[in-house]
Amino acid sequence: TQLLEQSPQFLSIQEGENLTVYCNSSSVFSSLQWYRQEPGEGPVLLVTVVTGGEVKKLKRLTFQFGDARKDSSLHITAAQTGDTGLYLCAGGGNNAGNMLTFGGGTRLMVKP
Amino acid sequence: GAVVSQHPSWVICKSGTSVKIECRSLDFQATTMFWYRQFPKQSLMLMATSNEGSKATYEQGVEKDKFLINHASLTLSTLTVTSAHPEDSSFYICSARENRGPFFGQGTRLTVV
Repeated sequence: TQLLEQSPQFLSIQEGENLTVYCNSSSVFSSLQWYRQEPGEGPVLLVTVVTGGEVKKLKRLTFQFGDARKDSSLHITAAQTGDTGLYLCAGGGNNAGNMLTFGGGTRLMVKP
Repeated sequence: GAVVSQHPSWVICKSGTSVKIECRSLDFQATTMFWYRQFPKQSLMLMATSNEGSKATYEQGVEKDKFLINHASLTLSTLTVTSAHPEDSSFYICSARENRGPFFGQGTRLTVV
């Protein structure tokens, strides 16, 4: 069974601060997804990374996939209150029949 | 934009009744869909894999007779919670993979009273 450990579980910061969320596994994943979920809604896909060492940027969010494809990180620069939410990493799901393995989630609260 | 649509968004039902939740893939065909359950402030837990035209595959500990899954077409999977009890109250989410990656429905908040 592939497991993903996400850290920290909870993060409370002031607006304007930077933060990094980590997603680690002992297993290799063919792809890894990052999602953001708001209360009462389904997870929204932010990015998919597939290549070891890959770095993707989405405005103030920077996603990195480890060289060995066992870990990933999400870095947010100058956090805003609108970034508040539950961030989930998920591995696998590289084709239609593969299920996703989810990390435990990081609950981010950005205070004004 | 949303590529997986889930309905209803929320439902309240009485104990002992059954509730059906629909999951539709928009503009793409999904031979496989996944159903998750999410408890407050926790991550998603996979319940079952829905396979078009064949039986669903259930995760360990998930009662297949209680959570009936039907994947009758390439764009629709349904989850029926039978004889619902208050402990079945939860947030249920479906997903399917589109070219850009796995997408999720909006989720269904089920409250059994």
